[in-house]
Amino acid sequence: EDKVVQSPLSLVVHEGDTVTLNCSYEVTNFRSLLWYKQEKKAPTFLFMLTSSGIEKKSGRLSSILDKKELFSILNITATQTGDSAVYLCAVAYNSNYQLIWGAGTKLIIKP
Amino acid sequence: DAGVTQSPTHLIKTRGQQVTLRCSPKSGHDTVSWYQQALGQGPQFIFQYYEEEERQRGNFPDRFSGHQFPNYSSELNVNALLLGDSALYLCASSQFYLYEQYFGPGTRLTVT
Repeated sequence: EDKVVQSPLSLVVHEGDTVTLNCSYEVTNFRSLLWYKQEKKAPTFLFMLTSSGIEKKSGRLSSILDKKELFSILNITATQTGDSAVYLCAVAYNSNYQLIWGAGTKLIIKP
Repeated sequence: DAGVTQSPTHLIKTRGQQVTLRCSPKSGHDTVSWYQQALGQGPQFIFQYYEEEERQRGNFPDRFSGHQFPNYSSELNVNALLLGDSALYLCASSQFYLYEQYFGPGTRLTVT
């Protein structure tokens, strides 16, 4: 069965801390892995990763994919209260353009 | 550039009723996917429309149906509503050959 598992399910840290969120997957014919941030309703796109070992970076956020061990991590450095959100991981697989989603990691940043 | 829009924002229905949710994709996008998101869960794929046809379907019963119009906008219809259908319904648009999807603000459906 194709699946995407995120860990931890929730995380509480203080402003300024660095966090690492994990996404592991088991899918048929992996294509790409995507990270989204969901604050209230609409998930907003962060990164798409297709190749192993190539870090994608945007400000304080970065992500990398390991296709051998079938996982990705999302790092957030110098966290701010505005980083509080649910972070979702999704995987594109097979030759269709359907995404399978993890349950998300709820990140709470305390001032 | 208008992003993905959905209507209505909130909806309250009674068990057994039918509901129609609407989505307009981001400009330049031709593909619409619908998701159901229960509280504390990731989005669950319902189906995807491209060229006015259902291209992919997730594990949802036939009570869930959809339509895509020539202007790429889409509707999600749910018949014979159950309490378990209460959720946030998200619409996402994309270009058919790309994986990156852009989401609308969602419709919160409550079934009583």
